[in-house]
Amino acid sequence: DQQVKQNSPSLSVQEGRISILNCDYTNSMFDYFLWYKKYPAEGPTFLISISSIKDKNEDGRFTVFLNKSAKHLSLHIVPSQPGDSAVYFCAALGLGGNTGKLIFGQGTTLQVKP
Amino acid sequence: GAVVSQHPSWVICKSGTSVKIECRSLDFQATTMFWYRQFPKQSLMLMATSNEGSKATYEQGVEKDKFLINHASLTLSTLTVTSAHPEDSSFYICSARRGTSSTDTQYFGPGTRLTVL
Repeated sequence: DQQVKQNSPSLSVQEGRISILNCDYTNSMFDYFLWYKKYPAEGPTFLISISSIKDKNEDGRFTVFLNKSAKHLSLHIVPSQPGDSAVYFCAALGLGGNTGKLIFGQGTTLQVKP
Repeated sequence: GAVVSQHPSWVICKSGTSVKIECRSLDFQATTMFWYRQFPKQSLMLMATSNEGSKATYEQGVEKDKFLINHASLTLSTLTVTSAHPEDSSFYICSARRGTSSTDTQYFGPGTRLTVL
């Protein structure tokens, strides 16, 4: 039972353009969401997070949007850079009686072409 | 700051042997550490939550007698894969949470690639 889904396994964009990575979730108990970036043979690196009381959070080139009614979040990267090429995981955190367990999506491989 | 290391980075062992993987938070204390495994082209799956000084909490389907977790100090957690078999071959990643709140950021180690022959 995949509670967090990233339906696009890969995405390719041109340098300088916007990258939009999508994530859907099924459990309405999730109320905190995170995006991680991962290079091959390395651990994930935290990028940005959003609480369910917000619908947008911005940090530099990275913006995360949350649509609670649709149980959907997205990560926008603009402008995209070749160094952004990596696997991006969205993750959900349930705070209700939860100890900080992260549920990860399958990941989306982003390739930014020069 | 917030560096997490893992050792070894890769290990090859024979079937039936045990392998210990260390996870250290280098510049902060972590009351809680997490162990994940990742199969090729799949997501990170939480195996267990490790709290300093207490028994680990294992996820459903994870054999606690096979994957022994010890969190002896605020900077070190170990995962021992006992009597390893080829199906245990995977990428094992730990994370350490800086702080005690559920929303405090988890910082991940670089991972350990285990290959069981």
